[in-house]
Amino acid sequence: QSALTQPASVSESPGQSITISCTGTSSDVGAYNYVSWYQQYPGKAPKVIIFDVTSRPSGVSNRFSGSKSGNTASLTISGLQVEDEAHYYCFSYTSSSAPWVFGGGTKLTVL
Amino acid sequence: QVLLVQSAAEVKNPGASVKVSCKAPANTFTIYAMHWVRQAPGQRLEWMGWIFPGTGKIQYSQKFQGRVTITADTFASTVYMELTSLRSEDTAVFYCATGANYYYDSWGQGTLVTVSS
Repeated sequence: QSALTQPASVSESPGQSITISCTGTSSDVGAYNYVSWYQQYPGKAPKVIIFDVTSRPSGVSNRFSGSKSGNTASLTISGLQVEDEAHYYCFSYTSSSAPWVFGGGTKLTVL
Repeated sequence: QVLLVQSAAEVKNPGASVKVSCKAPANTFTIYAMHWVRQAPGQRLEWMGWIFPGTGKIQYSQKFQGRVTITADTFASTVYMELTSLRSEDTAVFYCATGANYYYDSWGQGTLVTVSS
């Protein structure tokens, strides 16, 4: 099972918005509304920030939002803050033999 | 969210095996599936496999099939992940993770396994 495709890195200025894409196939992202997004700081365990494509866990800032179109899911972060600088991973259920797959990860730099 | 507590870091020789544990609260142990995720230094998260202690159902990623074994001890509310035939590329942090639905709202603290001669 290949990883979902994410840009390796993105950067934007504080206060701006950025969108990170996660491209899969009709067997994973396109087939199920079970895409979640995780934020990971160096040396720390990941933390879920979006689940079921668009839902946000309690306690997660409403600056984070998710969407999906076809085989591509997206994470949008508005009003970027320095503390948003982290790695972001998408994750999806898939009908392949390994029923779960992560994206390759995106390093967000807020400069 | 639940608290998942993993075993301590390990150093192993190439060719050896490692068994990492993940203790979960007893009251949720048979309700949620437990997954294992690998992250090599500077690399992405990789899904390895999962076990549903309530039914004993297990599934592995093809990448690790044949080298990984996931087991559960219901009495100890602990899940184990054993990886055999270790090689240097297996040096990584291994996480257990769980959640009520199709995402992980709880993660262990991670266990660093270093494979080196």
